[in-house]
Amino acid sequence: AQTVTQSQPEMSVQEAETVTLSCTYDTSESDYYLFWYKQPPSRQMILVIRQEAYKQQNATENRFSVNFQKAAKSFSLKISDSQLGDAAMYFCAYRSALRYSTLTFGKGTMLLVSP
Amino acid sequence: KAGVTQTPRYLIKTRGQQVTLSCSPISGHRSVSWYQQTPGQGLQFLFEYFSETQRNKGNFPGRFSGRQFSNSRSEMNVSTLELGDSALYLCASSKGPGQLYNSPLHFGNGTRLTVT
Repeated sequence: AQTVTQSQPEMSVQEAETVTLSCTYDTSESDYYLFWYKQPPSRQMILVIRQEAYKQQNATENRFSVNFQKAAKSFSLKISDSQLGDAAMYFCAYRSALRYSTLTFGKGTMLLVSP
Repeated sequence: KAGVTQTPRYLIKTRGQQVTLSCSPISGHRSVSWYQQTPGQGLQFLFEYFSETQRNKGNFPGRFSGRQFSNSRSEMNVSTLELGDSALYLCASSKGPGQLYNSPLHFGNGTRLTVT
């Protein structure tokens, strides 16, 4: 079974600064997807960014980018120019490329953003 | 385009009762998944439905069940409620399962269930 580990329960960053959230995963599969989801107090899980394992190029979405190291099974999220609205719980998630696969989530990292 | 809609947002039930939660997926999405979120266990997969058929099931007792209708709307039911069932129940939809559709999950706001 796949596991996802987020070793940082909480991280703090100041507005306009850059922060990196860590995620490692364990799998024996070669084809899969990785995601970062954000869950603000409104409770809705919002997809931030996703990465296909077969793509070597790191995904980027505006201020959000990932550092995907397939051999090391590492998938970190970098948030640049942090904003107050970025404050939320961030979950790293893994999904196999098999047809009926599910998301396996890490325990989450709470990101605090201060003015 | 409307997002995933879950009703109700809050529920308070007593032990032994049963509860039904509802989820309307994004228009055009045919796959619906359910997840349970608790502080202790985090996010755990309950089940996934596609084309009105349960395609995958997590490690939950038989008290947890679900179904999907022809319009892709889904319901989940929990019978004989226990205190430990108190959780946020999240529904997510996608165009279809897995690699065939390569469609990410889009989540609703969840239903907060409290069992007393």
